[in-house]
Amino acid sequence: QQQVKQSPQSLIVQKGGIPIINCAYENTAFDYFPWYQQFPGKGPALLIAIRPDVSEKKEGRFTISFNKSAKQFSLHIMDSQPGDSATYFCAAATQGGSEKLVFGKGTKLTVNP
Amino acid sequence: NAGVMQNPRHLVRRRGQEARLRCSPMKGHSHVYWYRQLPEEGLKFMVYLQKENIIDESGMPKERFSAEFPKEGPSILRIQQVVRGDSAAYFCASSKKKETQYFGPGTRLLVL
Repeated sequence: QQQVKQSPQSLIVQKGGIPIINCAYENTAFDYFPWYQQFPGKGPALLIAIRPDVSEKKEGRFTISFNKSAKQFSLHIMDSQPGDSATYFCAAATQGGSEKLVFGKGTKLTVNP
Repeated sequence: NAGVMQNPRHLVRRRGQEARLRCSPMKGHSHVYWYRQLPEEGLKFMVYLQKENIIDESGMPKERFSAEFPKEGPSILRIQQVVRGDSAAYFCASSKKKETQYFGPGTRLLVL
């Protein structure tokens, strides 16, 4: 049973475009939603995280939008650059993130020059 | 300020051998998590440990896998009698209580 569904599986945009990655969850006990960026051969690195008491959070070019009633959240990357090409994972956890992370299957993003 | 350290980075084992993966958490972090990543897949939780205690092992296979986080030294994930299906990247993450999990670079296990 997949508790966090992520789409699309892959995404190609031109430099300057705004890729959007979507995630949906089932467990209403989730209260912490991070996004991780992973480059080939590396470990996941935290990009940005949100808690359900806010509907949007922005850090630099990265924005999370959160819709609690729909149980959905998404990542937007403004002014995307070739260096943003990586795999992005959404995740969810209970207890403010102190418990295990449940990951989506990932989105492979390619930003063409 | 060193991040999460894992070693070895790459490990090759033949079927039936044992694999030992080590994880040193970030300084000041007392919570350790192990995840497994299969090719083209997301990360799957295996086990959550605090010093000398296993808190949640709901993602660990019932046989051949074990984990520990002793009072002194790194956390160890041990896989006995490895099989080809154990080939994967194994990631360790650490955190302080109720805070962000920071991931190490992973150990890539290949079983021949």
